[in-house]
Amino acid sequence: DSGVTQTPKHLITATGQRVTLRCSPRSGDLSVYWYQQSLDQGLQFLIHYYNGEERAKGNILERFSAQQFPDLHSELNLSSLELGDSALYFCASSEGAGQGFEQYFGPGTRLTVT
Amino acid sequence: AQKVTQAQTEISVVEKEDVTLDCVYETRDTTYYLFWYKQPPSGELVFLIRRNSFDEQNEISGRYSWNFQKSTSSFNFTITASQVVDSAVYFCALNRDDKIIFGKGTRLHILP
Repeated sequence: DSGVTQTPKHLITATGQRVTLRCSPRSGDLSVYWYQQSLDQGLQFLIHYYNGEERAKGNILERFSAQQFPDLHSELNLSSLELGDSALYFCASSEGAGQGFEQYFGPGTRLTVT
Repeated sequence: AQKVTQAQTEISVVEKEDVTLDCVYETRDTTYYLFWYKQPPSGELVFLIRRNSFDEQNEISGRYSWNFQKSTSSFNFTITASQVVDSAVYFCALNRDDKIIFGKGTRLHILP
């Protein structure tokens, strides 16, 4: 158990809908990262927040957005969902921001868009 | 461009054999970090090791060992005396500018 929690574990929704994925980092960690894992794209970095501020952006679609709240939990919002958004979404946390911090991953949220 | 290549998509070995997973990376940075993660069938990603670009010492942890060679831009992972529980997908990753770039992963099957 990494100490990172993600809810829900599974989510099934229809195309065009909007969903929110939630992540609570390990106690004491200030950074939260979001990743998407799909069969064709592999593991892709989406976005990184550090202490409430956006720190880095990766291959995140405009239909997706995220934020980190004062209590350090983070939410990833996915809107106008398409079939291709079906994937495993991971959240990870680390103590700080920077290259040297190892990231601890949550169990993931499996999103199925039908 | 930053890139991580794991050329071996899938490997099968019989239990107790040694197996090496290859990882080749590309970066222009002089300071960077390399990681290995394990993803067992249950799906979670488990951190295995971190190595910074200034430390080329090989690392051993139990049956696991890592060989980092800057000259060939490789960071290979060896499992000695493999066990069925080692069956998983293994990812090599490069950390640059607060982003981790993952390789496509190597699926390792350890056959009893």
